[in-house]
Amino acid sequence: AQSVAQPEDQVNVAEGNPLTVKCTYSVSGNPYLFWYVQYPNRGLQFLLKYITGDNLVKGSYGFEAEFNKSQTSFHLKKPSALVSDSALYFCAVRSRYGGATNKLIFGTGTLLAVQP
Amino acid sequence: DSGVTQTPKHLITATGQRVTLRCSPRSGDLSVYWYQQSLDQGLQFLIQYYNGEERAKGNILERFSAQQFPDLHSELNLSSLELGDSALYFCASSVGVDGNQPQHFGDGTRLSIL
Repeated sequence: AQSVAQPEDQVNVAEGNPLTVKCTYSVSGNPYLFWYVQYPNRGLQFLLKYITGDNLVKGSYGFEAEFNKSQTSFHLKKPSALVSDSALYFCAVRSRYGGATNKLIFGTGTLLAVQP
Repeated sequence: DSGVTQTPKHLITATGQRVTLRCSPRSGDLSVYWYQQSLDQGLQFLIQYYNGEERAKGNILERFSAQQFPDLHSELNLSSLELGDSALYFCASSVGVDGNQPQHFGDGTRLSIL
């Protein structure tokens, strides 16, 4: 069965400092991995994805994520946090194998709070 | 703006009633997905349609049904509503059916059951 874990409900970081939001996954075979961000009263916005190739993926708004197969992790990172980055972040995973039961599984979300 | 439009934004109704939520996907997208977001269950996949055909099914209750029309818009029908159905319902769309494509989300319909 597919699953994804975001071990931290909330991450606090000071503006200008680097940030990391953690994600680990469990899926059969190689996964498709995604990060989404949700601002209050809005839908989820796509940030970046890992499909294949380079383990370091760059996405929107200066975010990047590193795929680590041995640790089954896909942590989201940014070198310098902004107050405007404060939002709810979701990691999602999907198996490469298709089928009627294959679906995108979302983590429970991590609230990122960036203090000025 | 994701290009995905959901109506209505808010819906308040009573237990036992039936409602219809509507979604217009991003221009050019053939796949439509429905999700339910609640505090206790998180974000749960309900169902996917691709070019009018049901493609994948998740944790969708039998009281819920969906369809995608020839113009690619989709409707989610919720019947015999219960208090526990109160949630945010999101529609998302993607170009194709492959799992490697990002999904683009609407801003959701907030359903409140009184």
